[in-house]
Amino acid sequence: AQSVTQLGSHVSVSEGALVLLRCNYSSSVPPYLFWYVQYPNQGLQLLLKYTSAATLVKGINGFEAEFKKSETSFHLTKPSAHMSDAAEYFCAVSDGGDYKLSFGAGTTVTVRA
Amino acid sequence: EAGVAQSPRYKIIEKRQSVAFWCNPISGHATLYWYQQILGQGPKLLIQFQNNGVVDDSQLPKDRFSAERLKGVDSTLKIQPAKLEDSAVYLCASSLGTRLAGVETQYFGPGTRLLVL
Repeated sequence: AQSVTQLGSHVSVSEGALVLLRCNYSSSVPPYLFWYVQYPNQGLQLLLKYTSAATLVKGINGFEAEFKKSETSFHLTKPSAHMSDAAEYFCAVSDGGDYKLSFGAGTTVTVRA
Repeated sequence: EAGVAQSPRYKIIEKRQSVAFWCNPISGHATLYWYQQILGQGPKLLIQFQNNGVVDDSQLPKDRFSAERLKGVDSTLKIQPAKLEDSAVYLCASSLGTRLAGVETQYFGPGTRLLVL
């Protein structure tokens, strides 16, 4: 069975500062990894996904994530935070066998002006 | 392209009452998922359909929850009777379901926020 752990339920950053959201996974097979964003009162939107191609994955809105097998991590970064990045972010893992996603508990990002 | 549609967006009921949620997936998507998202937690899969057949319902509390996907398109999730702990956001998602290779992107609807009093 696969699972993810998101370190830090809340992250506060200043506008223009680096955004770093941490995700560690557990999987018995090579995983597929995802980052989703959820704005208030909306559904989840895919930011990016890792499917065993390049280890550095670029997504929408300037976000990127790096798959590190040795650290079982898939941290999400954005060089410069914007006010519109305030949202909740979820890391998810799938083993690909049945397309099921297992989500982390989420990290809420607030951006200070 | 229209996204995943859900209704209602909000619902308030008293415990022991019944409630139903509706989902219309993206056109052509064979796989449909229902998730439960409790406040402060990530979404948890309740049930997964491939066309109108159930692929996985291992996390569905079958004594009170039921779901169907007639004709392989729209789906309805029902709770009867509701308990206080059912208060959550219920998300519907869909994916192509071609099962050709790899993992497909799931597209989520806006969710139905349920409050059980």
